[in-house]
Amino acid sequence: DFVLTQSPDSLAVSLGERASINCKSSQSILYSSDNKNYLAWYQQKPGQPPKLLIYWASARESGVPDRFSGSGSGTDFTLTISSLQAEDVAVYHCQQYYTTPWTFGQGTKVEIK
Amino acid sequence: QLQLHESGPGLVKPSETLSLTCTVSNASISSTSYYWGWVRQPPGKGLEWIGSVSYRGDSYYTPSLKSRLTISVDTSKNQFSLNLRSVTAADTAVYYCARHDLSNYIPTVFDSWGQGALVTVSS
Repeated sequence: DFVLTQSPDSLAVSLGERASINCKSSQSILYSSDNKNYLAWYQQKPGQPPKLLIYWASARESGVPDRFSGSGSGTDFTLTISSLQAEDVAVYHCQQYYTTPWTFGQGTKVEIK
Repeated sequence: QLQLHESGPGLVKPSETLSLTCTVSNASISSTSYYWGWVRQPPGKGLEWIGSVSYRGDSYYTPSLKSRLTISVDTSKNQFSLNLRSVTAADTAVYYCARHDLSNYIPTVFDSWGQGALVTVSS
């Protein structure tokens, strides 16, 4: 299985400051035939289901604020919240869809400092 | 707007079968553009993909659960279902149903989710 390891497990950031979450895959999830990274990011607020934020590592889902951005390639990826808002408090999960079984990272909890 | 809703018993005894149904509203489960999947989350833990199925019944299952798992589709009711046999306490989790988008006919991301159903395995 492709193992995704997120870091840190949790972080506290001041309102308006930048938050960055890393996701490292045990194997490359860059598909050479289409040059796409098969990685997504989800946001899960307390008591709610996950919500898709980013797909193909850097494409923002419709309706997602542009303060959320994804970057990286191959095995190392980053989700960045450029200016943290109170409503961004959540757990963030990465997911690879390069191969089955599709797997998720363990999640990163983002809180307000 | 697409809605997915999980239903089923919240308590299952060890060694019995966990059965959940997902009802899809405001969209047809017979769409060729999507698969339909199940993802679970044990209390306080991360997400685990369980399996996904097309409206025709083509399926992908996670290997660790495959021997105990059946996911089926009922297009007449616009529903899909999960059956997990011989459950133990380790199967206690919130179970989510979700729409699984396709790219070149291969499932990719989960773009819509149900609210989730907590299933506890206990005697």
